[in-house]
Amino acid sequence: QKEVEQNSGPLSVPEGAIASLNCTYSDRVSQSFFWYRQYSGKSPELIMSIYSNGDKEDGRFTAQLNKASQYVSLLIRDSQPSDSATYLCAVNRTGRRALTFGSGTRLQVQP
Amino acid sequence: EPEVTQTPSHQVTQMGQEVILRCVPISNHLYFYWYRQILGQKVEFLVSFYNNEISEKSEIFDDQFSVERPDGSNFTLKIRSTKLEDSAMYFCASGTSGGPVSSYEQYFGPGTRLTVT
Repeated sequence: QKEVEQNSGPLSVPEGAIASLNCTYSDRVSQSFFWYRQYSGKSPELIMSIYSNGDKEDGRFTAQLNKASQYVSLLIRDSQPSDSATYLCAVNRTGRRALTFGSGTRLQVQP
Repeated sequence: EPEVTQTPSHQVTQMGQEVILRCVPISNHLYFYWYRQILGQKVEFLVSFYNNEISEKSEIFDDQFSVERPDGSNFTLKIRSTKLEDSAMYFCASGTSGGPVSSYEQYFGPGTRLTVT
């Protein structure tokens, strides 16, 4: 079973719409959850981190965590063409700092 | 805004040679990391470094690899006797020591593309 699973996409949304990206993880002792954005040929860029169940909002981004369901999601409101990228979900285990990454979801925002 | 820097941006080496990849972490960060991403694949953890010693390492990080903080600013990854399968993007990352809420956020550098021929 994959440790961190993401739908590879592409997820295509029109400009101005809400993009919803999902991630599930298998390790129940996972502690912290991160969303990174990676443009083609570039390095991962941290967007959001979340540690507690519920929602966390930062500008157009909202991260949602449900530890009982082992599920974390990222919502992007008012999607822009510049949001087109691969979004990586990453998880670390309690007491450890090593991040385990999913394979990423490619998002395409259509103008 | 402070950022992680890496040199070189691209390194080409022949199989069997040794390479050293360099990183300058964000200045007030205390944790340093190396990850790699083979083309088209996931980002994979290699090693973390804190207080001048390795704190975690993955199965990938075998005797072929070593890390060092030679001075107060640089953090290096040495790959001995490179193999074709070592060709990948190598990312350095750094993070703070965290607080009671265990903030383990990591900030990535732009990467070094290693090509082994």
